[in-house]
Amino acid sequence: EVQLVETGGGLIQPGGSLRLSCGASKFTVSSNSMTWVRQAPGKGLEWVSVLYRTGSTYYADSVKDRFTVSRDNSNNTLYLQMNSLRAEDTAVYYCARARGLWGLEYYFDYWGLGTLVIVSS
Amino acid sequence: EIVLRQSPPTLSLSPGERATLSCRASQSVSGYLAWYQQKPGQAPRLLIYDASNRATGIPARFSGSGSGTDFTLTISGLEPEDFAVYYCQQRSNWPPIYTFGPGTKLEIK
Repeated sequence: EVQLVETGGGLIQPGGSLRLSCGASKFTVSSNSMTWVRQAPGKGLEWVSVLYRTGSTYYADSVKDRFTVSRDNSNNTLYLQMNSLRAEDTAVYYCARARGLWGLEYYFDYWGLGTLVIVSS
Repeated sequence: EIVLRQSPPTLSLSPGERATLSCRASQSVSGYLAWYQQKPGQAPRLLIYDASNRATGIPARFSGSGSGTDFTLTISGLEPEDFAVYYCQQRSNWPPIYTFGPGTKLEIK
């Protein structure tokens, strides 16, 4: 069964950095487009970033220039490097696989359980 | 940026009843719209993609319809496990920006 497991969350001070990992099972990360979605406590879902199978990356305006998505093909893992963290980045971060027509991947069929990031002093 | 609006914000129904959830886009998304279900403490689950295709393992009581700017998720014959929050989601063509609607909470009446 396809599985995604996020790790790396925790309590971090404002201005700090954190790297989230998303390990995949039963499929190859590099052959798929992958995304990060977050959910602040008690709030709705917010898209964060996407890494297409082509290697192209895109980000929500709220995290642009602060977050970087990448992948390690040898470890079949997706990463999210988060720098200059702010209180408003506090959320559960989910990784998910993006599916759809080539170049138009838009829906997310498998999700991890999420990892909680708390930005607070 | 395409904005998605969902209505109603909260829907109170009883098991066995039919639920109709609406998602309206600020501009056409063609048929590229997905629906997700989320229960407390759980990750979202894909229900519908391409507006009307059920994802793997999703019961037939869930159906999606619509195109352009107006979409509907219908749950025929609510089961106790269907009470949750439902989100619609789309992706703009270029640049690729993904957006979710604010959600509809389906609660037991």
